[in-house]
Amino acid sequence: GEDVEQSLFLSVREGDSSVINCTYTDSSSTYLYWYKQEPGAGLQLLTYIFSNMDMKQDQRLTVLLNKKDKHLSLRIADTQTGDSAIYFCAEKNTGKLIFGQGTTLQVKP
Amino acid sequence: DTEVTQTPKHLVMGMTNKKSLKCEQHMGHRAMYWYKQKAKKPPELMFVYSYEKLSINESVPSRFSPECPNSSLLNLHLHALQPEDSALYLCASSQEWTSYEQYFGPGTRLTVT
Repeated sequence: GEDVEQSLFLSVREGDSSVINCTYTDSSSTYLYWYKQEPGAGLQLLTYIFSNMDMKQDQRLTVLLNKKDKHLSLRIADTQTGDSAIYFCAEKNTGKLIFGQGTTLQVKP
Repeated sequence: DTEVTQTPKHLVMGMTNKKSLKCEQHMGHRAMYWYKQKAKKPPELMFVYSYEKLSINESVPSRFSPECPNSSLLNLHLHALQPEDSALYLCASSQEWTSYEQYFGPGTRLTVT
């Protein structure tokens, strides 16, 4: 079946790197996503990676995909207080988005 | 412009009321979605419209009634809701049902008293 798992909480100091991890079970997933949700807001699509890639970089964000282990990570370089939010990993297969439980990122000044 | 708008931002309704949530996008997207999100939980898919036709209903109770009057608009009609239906209701859209980018609106915070 489809299942996406994430750790629930991560705390880092401003200026450090953050790494948020995610595992998924559906090996036929075509796209994997990271969404950001700030308090009281909707979901913002941060980045996505196609399943035949192993890395994607976009400014401060680096996505790594280990397809063999079904492991996805999001690295945020030079984490800022504005990065404090809930980060959802999601996979897409046959059109439906399957979300993880979300990781709350706390950035301490 | 990748904007999905939703109105109202907040809604408080009693269990006997009838109300509607509205979602709009002008990106020419042909797939639109309703999600329900409880606090500290991921969004749960409720309905999918593709080319203005309902293509997925995730066994949602009939007190929630979706409507897609045209390709830019999506409504969710609410009637006889329960307090446990209180949640953030998110609308999303994508170019097609199979497209990889899905854009979310800011949501409507619904409280049922």
